[in-house]
Parts: sequence; C-alpha cells; structure tokens
Amino acid sequence: DAGVIQSPRHEVTEMGQEVTLRCKPISGHDYLFWYRQTMMRGLELLIYFNNNVPIDDSGMPEDRFSAKMPNASFSTLKIQPSEPRDSAVYFCASSFGSGGGNTDTQYFGPGTRLTVL
Amino acid sequence: SQQGEEDPQALSIQEGENATMNCSYKTSINNLQWYRQNSGRGLVHLILIRSNEREKHSGRLRVTLDTSKKSSSLLITASRAADTASYFCATVRTGRRALTFGSGTRLQVQP
Repeated sequence: DAGVIQSPRHEVTEMGQEVTLRCKPISGHDYLFWYRQTMMRGLELLIYFNNNVPIDDSGMPEDRFSAKMPNASFSTLKIQPSEPRDSAVYFCASSFGSGGGNTDTQYFGPGTRLTVL
Repeated sequence: SQQGEEDPQALSIQEGENATMNCSYKTSINNLQWYRQNSGRGLVHLILIRSNEREKHSGRLRVTLDTSKKSSSLLITASRAADTASYFCATVRTGRRALTFGSGTRLQVQP
C-alpha cells in the first residue's frame, strides 16, 4: 500500500491567496483526520471525517478554513484567504475504525509545509 | 489543545543507553499511542496501549500506562543513532476518535 498521500509537499503563497491541500487516505480506511503542527501550539486536530461525513470540526480555526471529503479516496483542506499565521505543517491521517475507538491506529501522511508570506 | 505534557522536553544519551520519556494527560482515555517524528517528516506509529492494559512491549520499546495517575512512559532500550527523533504521546479520549497530542520529547542519540 502507498500509505496516505498528501499534495503538495510544500506550498509558498502570499497573504490573501487561496490554498488547497489534498489528501488520499489508505484504501479501505473509513476515518480521515486533518491535523496542524506549529511550534507554538504543537500538533492539534482540525477536523475529522467518518465515511466521508464531517464528525468533529471544532478544531477548525475560523471560517477561512473549510474541508471536504467528496468520496472515500479524497479530501481537501482549503484556506481562503490565507494569512501568515496559517503557516504550519498540515498532516492528513487515516484509520480503520473496526475497534470502536479502542485500538484504532492512525497512519499519517508526510505532511504539507505551508508558508504564507 | 494539547492533552498534556511530556518530559523531558529534550534528552541526549549515548548509543547503547536506555531512553525513558514520560507523558501525562488530563482526561479519561480509550487508549494511548506513541509516535515518532524524524526532523521534517511525518509521524510514524510506534505502539498503542489500551486503557485496560498496564504494560506493552514491541521490540526495543516498552510502554507503561497508569490510568490512576494519568501517565505513561516509553522506554527505548539499547538506543541507536537512528532513534534520534521527536517522540509524541497521543491519547484517544473516551467517546472520541481523534488523537490529542502531548508536547513531545526530542531525543538525541550520540553515536
């Protein structure tokens, strides 16, 4: 299996521009998570989906952030308009929720390093 | 927000020595997991321990969990230079699915 695939790996943009991050989860996994890593706040959950449906978006910073999962093999995280404080590494992870949450292992993609100038 | 803290924040040891990292958390949990992150890379899952387990082994890794103290430890025995990385504990809270991460421990193994 190719693992979780994220694109792009690096993104540099200017403040005010729209940014779209993409994720392909591991085939057969029914949970997909978006996390963000910064020096100040560490690793934190943004949103997660179960069977393509958003379950918990309480970590999404504000209305500038939106996430979609149109099918089981693709998800996007969009920031519009982007701001310098959005600079971070964004990780996508997926898991197979067979254990009722007790034994789920999450598999992480390599991340997208976003820099907003 | 982060679930808890890890200590030490940084640890430097010689190859062959053991490394112990500690993690504390705040809420009731389903399980606790440890991840490794090499510089500039993604997170790699190391081991998962359920809330009803007290100790678990995987190769050179030993994890303990004390739910009464809301704490866990990760022991890496006979460390190698390739173990140099940041190590994060992460909890899955009761009734939830997402991971809540600790602040991480940066481990440096000197060859």
